[in-house]
Amino acid sequence: DAKTTQPPSMDCAEGRAANLPCNHSTISGNEYVYWYRQIHSQGPQYIIHGLKNNETNEMASLIITEDRKSSTLILPHATLRDTAVYYCIVRVGSNDYKLSFGAGTTVTVRA
Amino acid sequence: NAGVMQNPRHLVRRRGQEARLRCSPMKGHSHVYWYRQLPEEGLKFMVYLQKENIIDESGMPKERFSAEFPKEGPSILRIQQVVRGDSAAYFCASSPVGGRRTSDGYTFGSGTRLTVV
Repeated sequence: DAKTTQPPSMDCAEGRAANLPCNHSTISGNEYVYWYRQIHSQGPQYIIHGLKNNETNEMASLIITEDRKSSTLILPHATLRDTAVYYCIVRVGSNDYKLSFGAGTTVTVRA
Repeated sequence: NAGVMQNPRHLVRRRGQEARLRCSPMKGHSHVYWYRQLPEEGLKFMVYLQKENIIDESGMPKERFSAEFPKEGPSILRIQQVVRGDSAAYFCASSPVGGRRTSDGYTFGSGTRLTVV
């Protein structure tokens, strides 16, 4: 069972930042927060992950609260190709192979 | 460098027939995982295989479903006597040798969409 909760959907204007919240209030000390996205008719794609520090890569930024009970994925300049379902997952590092996907957040980027 | 290849992309079967879904992992990957995604739901883990071994099949239905990953050739997910409730997207993922993974974790294929009529 998924150990995260996310809003079911959100809209974003093209070119604006998209901020996707995730609640993981029962996260354990050794669990990371991972984000994936699934574009229509494709398999999930890794975006970013973090333990307790904020992280940034070429795709997105991840902000984790100090108590680690929630996080926010930021897509800095959303494009139409960012329209997808975004999944927030907690797992004990990349060797934890049994990913538990919830329903995710359906993000629609509008022109 | 080809990614994880799944075929067919779409498969239609009548109730009672058998469905065979194939997955070729990325080059150098010897760990394969199968997930099922029912309509409007997230992916659910089914089974984890290494070459010629099933490591974890805790997510597999007890009947009609089986998986293999032979020494040569792709991994096969087999569903016997399909029913309408088996209609779903089935995704395969792979990871590198020895359990040491990059920060990316898995690499997923594009899935096979099974429709049972």
